[in-house]
Amino acid sequence: DIVMTQSPDSLAVSLGERATINCKPSQSVLYSSNKKNYLAWYQQKPGQPPKLLIYWASTRQSGVPDRFSGSGSGTDFTLTISSLQAEDVAVYFCQQYYSTPLTFGQGTKLEIK
Amino acid sequence: QVQLVESGGGVVQPGRSLRLSCAASGFTFSAYGMHWVRQAPGKGLEWVAIISHDGSSIYYSDSVKGRITISRDNSKNTLHLQMNSLRAEDTAVYYCAKDIATGSYYLDGWGQGTLVSVSS
Repeated sequence: DIVMTQSPDSLAVSLGERATINCKPSQSVLYSSNKKNYLAWYQQKPGQPPKLLIYWASTRQSGVPDRFSGSGSGTDFTLTISSLQAEDVAVYFCQQYYSTPLTFGQGTKLEIK
Repeated sequence: QVQLVESGGGVVQPGRSLRLSCAASGFTFSAYGMHWVRQAPGKGLEWVAIISHDGSSIYYSDSVKGRITISRDNSKNTLHLQMNSLRAEDTAVYYCAKDIATGSYYLDGWGQGTLVSVSS
């Protein structure tokens, strides 16, 4: 199974500042034949289901604000929120879909400083 | 838009069974793979199972294999999860979710979840 490790576990950032969350799969999730990274990011607000933000490591889901961006390849990925808004307070998860079982990171709790 | 509504959760004793359902609407259910993902109270997300759009391919996580059966009824736009020999560690909110139907299993639609509590 691919183990997904996120860092940090929690993060406090001031409004308008940049937030950065890291995700490291235990093996590469880059598929050589199509050069795609099989990695997604989700946002989960309290009492709500997860919401897809990013797929293919860097493609923003329709309707997601452009302050959210994803980057990285292979075994090193980052979710960046360029200018934190109050509504971005949530837990963020990465997920690999390179192989079954699908696996998620443990989550990063993002709060306002 | 995509709507997924889970039902069937509740309190059940260890060793008993429970059947969860997920009613889908707002998309062509028969064209998409469907998943169950669970979340224990205050914990992270754990993928449970997937069934392909036509039911021909099914995969389970090792933690539930042999105790849980995923199925679907495309004529009724409904997904099911039959859970047997339930354990305390199965206590979680169970979400149904849809993937994007190209064999790439990222999940672009989620239900609100149904809580399963296994306790004596």
